[in-house]
Amino acid sequence: AQSVTQPDIHITVSEGASLELRCNYSYGATPYLFWYVQSPGQGLQLLLKYFSGDTLVQGIKGFEAEFKRSQSSFNLRKPSVHWSDAAEYFCAVTNAGGTSYGKLTFGQGTILTVHP
Amino acid sequence: DTAVSQTPKYLVTQMGNDKSIKCEQNLGHDTMYWYKQDSKKFLKIMFSYNNKELIINETVPNRFSPKSPDKAHLNLHINSLELGDSAVYFCASSQDNADEQFFGPGTRLTVL
Repeated sequence: AQSVTQPDIHITVSEGASLELRCNYSYGATPYLFWYVQSPGQGLQLLLKYFSGDTLVQGIKGFEAEFKRSQSSFNLRKPSVHWSDAAEYFCAVTNAGGTSYGKLTFGQGTILTVHP
Repeated sequence: DTAVSQTPKYLVTQMGNDKSIKCEQNLGHDTMYWYKQDSKKFLKIMFSYNNKELIINETVPNRFSPKSPDKAHLNLHINSLELGDSAVYFCASSQDNADEQFFGPGTRLTVL
């Protein structure tokens, strides 16, 4: 069964500092990987996705993520965090076809707090 | 223009009641989903429909019945509501089952 682990429940950074949110997945097939962000009381917004090709993917709001198959990881990074980045971040995995049929398996989420 | 919309945004009801949550997408997508987010913010898929056909049913109690009148709508009907049904329910859609999913704003259901 597929699973996603986000080891950090809560991360606090200062505004302007760099950020890395960790995501590890367990999946038998080639994964499709996503990062979503959820602001308080809001739905989920897609930050970026990896299907194939270049393992470093760029997303919206200055975020990027790197797919490392050998480490089963898809960590999210941002070089300089803004106060508006404070939110909860979810990593998710699925695959095409098979029995997943687009079923997204989510990690537990990482809450990001940004100090001024 | 709202891509995926849900109504109502908040729903407060008594145990034992029956309620429905509506979802509509104007993206022309073929696949729609329902997810449940519990009090610990854990998101789990409940159902998915592709072209009005049920594709995924994740061991959800049969008190929950999704209904897809057309490709653009996937409603969720819940019978005999229980305290444990309190959660935020998200609708989502995608072009096909391998593509990114677009989420609605969520419906916060509180069962008293």
